[in-house]
Amino acid sequence: KQEVTQIPAALSVPEGENLVLNCSFTDSAIYNLQWFRQDPGKGLTSLLLIQSSQREQTSGRLNASLDKSSGRSTLYIAASQPGDSATYLCAVSKITGGGNKLTFGTGTQLKVEL
Amino acid sequence: DADVTQTPRNRITKTGKRIMLECSQTKGHDRMYWYRQDPGLGLRLIYYSFDVKDINKGEISDGYSVSRQAQAKFSLSLESAIPNQTALYFCATGQPNQETQYFGPGTRLLVL
Repeated sequence: KQEVTQIPAALSVPEGENLVLNCSFTDSAIYNLQWFRQDPGKGLTSLLLIQSSQREQTSGRLNASLDKSSGRSTLYIAASQPGDSATYLCAVSKITGGGNKLTFGTGTQLKVEL
Repeated sequence: DADVTQTPRNRITKTGKRIMLECSQTKGHDRMYWYRQDPGLGLRLIYYSFDVKDINKGEISDGYSVSRQAQAKFSLSLESAIPNQTALYFCATGQPNQETQYFGPGTRLLVL
């Protein structure tokens, strides 16, 4: 059974810092890995999606890397801003007879302070 | 307007009561999903549907039932609510040729 772990569970940084969020998974037979952002009352928003054949994806100040063989992904946020405060979830997907199944990590709650 | 909506947004109920959570989408997606989120456990899949009248159990379907009578609507029922069903419930949609899912804002349920 796939298990997805995120470290740290919570993180507080001053504005402007670069930071790294970590995600690890136990079964390397994944289809892709996604990073989501969760804001209170607004659901989840997909930030970056990395295919299993890719090593990284970038969007603005965000960069996600994937090392499938070691079961690890990182989300790098450059020059953090208070608006980045949210919970970040990683999810791995696997194609099964029932379609594309997502397994979520427990999340990292980020607070960026002024 | 939001593409995926959930009603109610918050609900308090008592043990033993039957309740229904509704999800509607305007994205025209075939696939719909219900998840629950508990502190420290992440999101877990309850049920999913690939088309009207198609119903599939997820990881934690016991105690829940769903109905997909129309493409745009997917409802989740708790036939007899119990306190450990207190959680944040999310509906999501997707398409076979897309690799991400689109989430509603969530319904916060408290069972007393």
